[in-house]
Amino acid sequence: QSALTQPRSVSGSPGQSVTISCTGTSSDVGGYNYVSWYQQHPGKAPKLMIYDVSKRPSGVPDRFSGSKSGNTASLTISGLQAEDEADYYCCSYAGSYTFPWVFGGGTKLTVL
Amino acid sequence: QVQLVESGGGLVKPGGSLRLSCAASGFTFSDYYMSWIRQAPGKGLEWVSYISSSGSTIYYADSVKGRFTISRDNAKNSLYLQMNSLRAEDTAVYYCAREPRLDYMDVWGKGTTVTVSS
Repeated sequence: QSALTQPRSVSGSPGQSVTISCTGTSSDVGGYNYVSWYQQHPGKAPKLMIYDVSKRPSGVPDRFSGSKSGNTASLTISGLQAEDEADYYCCSYAGSYTFPWVFGGGTKLTVL
Repeated sequence: QVQLVESGGGLVKPGGSLRLSCAASGFTFSDYYMSWIRQAPGKGLEWVSYISSSGSTIYYADSVKGRFTISRDNAKNSLYLQMNSLRAEDTAVYYCAREPRLDYMDVWGKGTTVTVSS
């Protein structure tokens, strides 16, 4: 199972919006509405930000939103803040009983 | 509060073994699926293994199949990962994570570091 494709880096200024893409195939992203996004600050554990493509767990600011079109999912962060600078990983259920999940390679978000 | 705490990491020689543990607290452990995910130095996340709430269903990544064994003890609120025939490429931070359903991980531990080196 190949990893999902994410841009290696994105950047934006405080207050702006940025979108991180996550491209898979019809066997994973395109086949299920089970895409999740995780934020990871350096030296810290990942934190769930979005699940089921667009749902936010309790406590996650509504500046974070998710969507999907075809085989590509997206995470949009609006009103960028300094603390949003982190690595972001997408993950999709792949439906295979030998390899049910696949992660993206990660995107480094820099707040300028 | 809901918490996962990993332990058991360390330095081991190639071909050696380690057993990781993950202690759960603050929730009904037996209600949840659990997974191990790892992150090699400077690299991304890699899902390693999954176990259902009862332990009846288990999956492994191809990279560890036949060498790693996941298990759980619901009476002790604990998850385990027995790692045998370790290789240099198994060097990583190992996280345990809780899964409310079979499609996302909502609680992660802080991780335990495994280093395989001679």
